[in-house]
Amino acid sequence: DAEITQSPRHKITETGRQVTLACHQTWNHNNMFWYRQDLGHGLRLIHYSYGVQDTNKGEVSDGYSVSRSNTEDLPLTLESAASSQTSVYFCPRVSPCEQFFGPGTRLTVL
Amino acid sequence: AQTVTQSQPEMSVQEAETVTLSCTYDTSESDYYLFWYKQPPSRQMILVIRQEAYKQQNATENRFSVNFQKAAKSFSLKISDSQLGDAAMYFCAYGAGNMLTFGGGTRLMVKP
Repeated sequence: DAEITQSPRHKITETGRQVTLACHQTWNHNNMFWYRQDLGHGLRLIHYSYGVQDTNKGEVSDGYSVSRSNTEDLPLTLESAASSQTSVYFCPRVSPCEQFFGPGTRLTVL
Repeated sequence: AQTVTQSQPEMSVQEAETVTLSCTYDTSESDYYLFWYKQPPSRQMILVIRQEAYKQQNATENRFSVNFQKAAKSFSLKISDSQLGDAAMYFCAYGAGNMLTFGGGTRLMVKP
């Protein structure tokens, strides 16, 4: 079955540290996305990719970067974590006309 | 840029009654999808219903149905025979090019 794996599920880090959140897919889809959700709000798009070596900025990309060296992975890096980046991060499983969201990665920046 | 607006931060419904959640969106595209997602306290986003913009017929999934008004750019969700398990955050989302734009959400409370 096609799966998506986000890791870690929970992460606590300190301000200024570099953090990388992993997203690994087995559904062989070109498109991958990263969203963040702050408490009481909807999801907002951070970065996305339509294929290997393709990356694009979303609505809230400042302070984040992604790389796409293969089809399966789209790691999200916080170059210097800030308290404002405390949030839940989602990398959904993508089908041609839908996205399926898992529980995400809860990141706390102290 | 597309925007999605949910004007009701909170709604309340009596168990077994019907409630309608509102959503409006702004786009210049003609081909797109609209979604309603449910998010319980576990924070997992659960797809409730999907509507293709080219379809005039409103989508229905059991107790959930939509009223899609393309010209008005309106996409409301009707929940019939509300159940306690329907209590959650509900998010309206617009999708084009496989990318989603979400509204701010509506918290639905169900009273026994």
